[in-house]
Amino acid sequence: DAGITQSPRHKVTETGTPVTLRCHQTENHRYMYWYRQDPGHGLRLIHYSYGVKDTDKGEVSDGYSVSRSKTEDFLLTLESATSSQTSVYFCAIRTGTGKSYEQYFGPGTRLTVT
Amino acid sequence: ILNVEQSPQSLHVQEGDSTNFTCSFPSSNFYALHWYRWETAKSPEALFVMTLNGDEKKKGRISATLNTKEGYSYLYIKGSQPEDSATYLCASAGGTSYGKLTFGQGTILTVHP
Repeated sequence: DAGITQSPRHKVTETGTPVTLRCHQTENHRYMYWYRQDPGHGLRLIHYSYGVKDTDKGEVSDGYSVSRSKTEDFLLTLESATSSQTSVYFCAIRTGTGKSYEQYFGPGTRLTVT
Repeated sequence: ILNVEQSPQSLHVQEGDSTNFTCSFPSSNFYALHWYRWETAKSPEALFVMTLNGDEKKKGRISATLNTKEGYSYLYIKGSQPEDSATYLCASAGGTSYGKLTFGQGTILTVHP
């Protein structure tokens, strides 16, 4: 599992409330990613990080922000949750070098916004 | 944003059948092509990373080929078993060092006993 944990694993929240999801890794990987899974879309990249305090947007970043103040933690924040953000969120890390890297995924967080 | 397409969207086969599915991706600025296996209620699991035109990879009964000139990859499963039932995702890596992947929508395989 490449030492990746996500918390919480399940969350139900109300529209308009802030929500923070945490991704924690124990193996000192530089690159970390947040994806969301939606039917018919596979996985879509929300934000990614290439080092402490170094982050950038993915293809579906609107309504999300991230922070990475230390190597092991990558936080995803929904500032004001909306029903369209109901999804399963996966964190991933990158291992390997050059072109033959792989991404390993955490167990996922199921978020329901009511 | 790279446009990655997978076909078919879903597939039902009988135990013992061999099957294959397709991943299409933009051939320009190709960097790498990833295949993942994703079982229900679990997280995606890496199968193959392919980087060179003509690459062929194999893991047990599962194999994959890559054609970067025409922008497609095939995943083959020989003698499908019920435990092969899963969603198979491909993802294309753009020509950057950040490791970003653009995923296709997946092919859902169901193997009936």
